[in-house]
Amino acid sequence: NAGVMQNPRHLVRRRGQEARLRCSPMKGHSHVYWYRQLPEEGLKFMVYLQKENIIDESGMPKERFSAEFPKEGPSILRIQQVVRGDSAAYFCASSPGQGNHEQYFGPGTRLTVT
Amino acid sequence: AQKITQTQPGMFVQEKEAVTLDCTYDTSDQSYGLFWYKQPSSGEMIFLIYQGSYDEQNATEGRYSLNFQKARKSANLVISASQLGDSAMYFCAMREPPGSSASKIIFGSGTRLSIRP
Repeated sequence: NAGVMQNPRHLVRRRGQEARLRCSPMKGHSHVYWYRQLPEEGLKFMVYLQKENIIDESGMPKERFSAEFPKEGPSILRIQQVVRGDSAAYFCASSPGQGNHEQYFGPGTRLTVT
Repeated sequence: AQKITQTQPGMFVQEKEAVTLDCTYDTSDQSYGLFWYKQPSSGEMIFLIYQGSYDEQNATEGRYSLNFQKARKSANLVISASQLGDSAMYFCAMREPPGSSASKIIFGSGTRLSIRP
């Protein structure tokens, strides 16, 4: 039973480019959470999604950031027109839902903006 | 608002000694969950231990135990007989009540633990 998968593990983008981070939840999990970790800090919640629905996006920056979790395929965190301050580790976690909110973390994607 | 505070940015401990990592939290909810995660230099988040707010006994997992003092709102992690492989960042975290529409986890700023041989 594979765990949460994230790809790519490392991503380098120039300022102004777009970054797409993918997260495949554990088998049978229908809830996905995205967190961001800036250097030397703890993880900060960004967004919580269920299939085809955004449940809580209170931690998402108002501009340039978007997330989706389609009916088929992985969850995508999209950052448009990246800036140096977007450089961070982005973690995805999944949970089964249905009253069980235990979250299992993926290995993270390290985004570097040059 | 919920908040997690870890006041020790870094700690050095001699191998084989026990170590306590401090964590205090703030919440107005009666039902909540507390976690500790380990993040080694490779970057992944490794779940260590969980304590529910209604659990009467302190959680234990092998060499890890959680010293839960509900009245003081503290949830310190105790690692017995430390090993070199315990060197890592450690994060205390709290989850909103189960069943809430958004059970996000709130993390503290972390403690970097270094084990000396």
